Amino acid sequence: DAGITQSPRHKVTETGTPVTLRCHQTENHRYMYWYRQDPGHGLRLIHYSYGVKDTDKGEVSDGYSVSRSKTEDFLLTLESATSSQTSVYFCAISRGGPEETQYFGPGTRLLVL
Amino acid sequence: DAKTTQPPSMDCAEGRAANLPCNHSTISGNEYVYWYRQIHSQGPQYIIHGLKNNETNEMASLIITEDRKSSTLILPHATLRDTAVYYCIVRPHPTGTASKLTFGTGTRLQVTL
Repeated sequence: DAGITQSPRHKVTETGTPVTLRCHQTENHRYMYWYRQDPGHGLRLIHYSYGVKDTDKGEVSDGYSVSRSKTEDFLLTLESATSSQTSVYFCAISRGGPEETQYFGPGTRLLVL
Repeated sequence: DAKTTQPPSMDCAEGRAANLPCNHSTISGNEYVYWYRQIHSQGPQYIIHGLKNNETNEMASLIITEDRKSSTLILPHATLRDTAVYYCIVRPHPTGTASKLTFGTGTRLQVTL
């Protein structure tokens, strides 16, 4: 158990509305990641953070923004949700540096109607 | 990143050893082999990883061939709770701040009574 929680765990929203997903960790890890998982695509990295206020894009970052104002929280925002963003979103942390093993949270299921 | 090939599905009787193979014939010298599993609707769970030597922890053993072109994950005494999709991932030792994991389609292991 890497002390990761995600909220909400399930959300249904409408196209065009903003949505924010929260990842919270209790162990002060520096690196945090947001992935999405879709059938046929595996897990794809959206954004990651390597410290407070330090973030960078992953491979599928369009339509998403992130913020990290505290070590323990990494927020993923869909500025204007689209149906293509219907997915399961996973947060992960790595203990220590980016070479360390990644541990995943329980996920958030998002449905955009 | 090196690609991996895994059988799409396998069955195993409860109490027996489950041996999950993975081919990674294009693996480079600095790439690690990681194994994760995902139980239905949960986040990916780290199992084990290795570079050249065989590894063992409380969950499983990882056997890597001498030429490193394939590996086998061994669950020594499979239980029904081991039913999951198992992912073999080849991951380069990161040199920068980005460190994504690339999940393929994995092997669906069904443990039966």
